[in-house]
This record gives sequence, C-alpha cells and structure tokens, in this order.
Amino acid sequence: DAKTTQPPSMDCAEGRAANLPCNHSTISGNEYVYWYRQIHSQGPQYIIHGLKNNETNEMASLIITEDRKSSTLILPHATLRDTAVYYCIGCYNQGGKLIFGQGTELSVKP
Amino acid sequence: GAGVSQSPRYKVAKRGQDVALRCDPISGHVSLFWYQQALGQGPEFLTYFQNEAQLDKSGLPSDRFFAERPEGSVSTLKIQRTQQEDSAVYLCASSLGPLVRANNEQFFGPGTRLTVL
Repeated sequence: DAKTTQPPSMDCAEGRAANLPCNHSTISGNEYVYWYRQIHSQGPQYIIHGLKNNETNEMASLIITEDRKSSTLILPHATLRDTAVYYCIGCYNQGGKLIFGQGTELSVKP
Repeated sequence: GAGVSQSPRYKVAKRGQDVALRCDPISGHVSLFWYQQALGQGPEFLTYFQNEAQLDKSGLPSDRFFAERPEGSVSTLKIQRTQQEDSAVYLCASSLGPLVRANNEQFFGPGTRLTVL
C-alpha cells in the first residue's frame, strides 16, 4: 500500500472551505486514494475515495492530480463538527486492510 | 442495531490477566477487521475475517493475541497474559462484501479502550 504524507495539523474558520492535502508519490496505478476521519473518542468514518477522476459526495470532494502523486480533500463549508483527524490512505480496492498514517488534525474554529 | 457495536467500551485489567473484547458487526457484513490504536497514533491493522475464515492475521503482535468469528457474525478478540504495552483502543470494522468487491468502505465501531495496570 502507498505511503502517504499529510501535514500534522490545520486550522479552518467555520463556514469556510477546508482543503486537506495528501502526498502519495509512490501510489501504484491500481491503488485507490481513500479518506477517513476520526472524531475524538469515536471510530474512523469513511468519507470518500477515488482512483483517477475527481469525486464528490454529500460529505466532501476529492481532487486527484493527473499524475496521481497527490490529492486534496475539500470540505466545502466546514462546521465545528468537522473537527477531527483526517486520514489519507492508499489502498488496493479489494476492500482490504487500511494502513493509517498519522493523519491531519483539523481544527474548525468559530 | 444500525452500526457496529463493541463491548465493553472500557476495560481495566491487571498485568497478566486475560481479556476478551467483543464485536457485533453490521448484520450481513461478510468482512470483519480488528485494529489497534495506541494513544496519539493512527489505527493499526491486526486481523481480517471473511465470514468465519480468518484470512489475514499478519498484524497480530504476538501469540498472546487470538481472534475468532465462529459463526461468521460476532467476533471476539482475546488477549492472554496482558502486558502494559497492550493498552490501546481496539477497533472493530465491518464491510459488506469480501475483499474482492469494489467500493468496500469499512464501518467502524466505537472501540474498546483497554488499560493494563
């Protein structure tokens, strides 16, 4: 599974877009980029995943660069409840085990 | 229930005691995973079941760790002769399909916080 690199922490103002970057320069052609988040004292929660194309769902958008070496998770209108640790994970889409890194601790502030 | 449940939510054990942690996955989910999360770290994979078959136990840190899922639903993670380094949150996750199915997001339970004194 691809090793991913994320900034350890970020701040975002409530109501603004939160853009969380992830580098995955060693990702292979058939590895997907998954994003999960973990709110304090809870289990991780799936957000979104993608392979090559940009993806959007009710929670977020995922922008993957053309060379697939990096991606950005976008929370369009961050709320205080979006405060969490966000994990970017490279994973073969066989539904296999997730290899979590350190993640980015996002703090949304009023 | 609607989600993955785990019990107990908190467990305190004396060093050397055996503990058993229970996971109730979402009904009908084929795949079940156990992860260990140390304080301030991301979760680390322990083991994977497809129905009752344990297909991957590469993450189990020692032979003191044992997991089972005898009827392909509820799973138990057992830790024998607990050590202080076993203190962590143990997370269980389930997903609908087997490994080869696409779009297989994992649904996590709230975890069991184990403290070994």
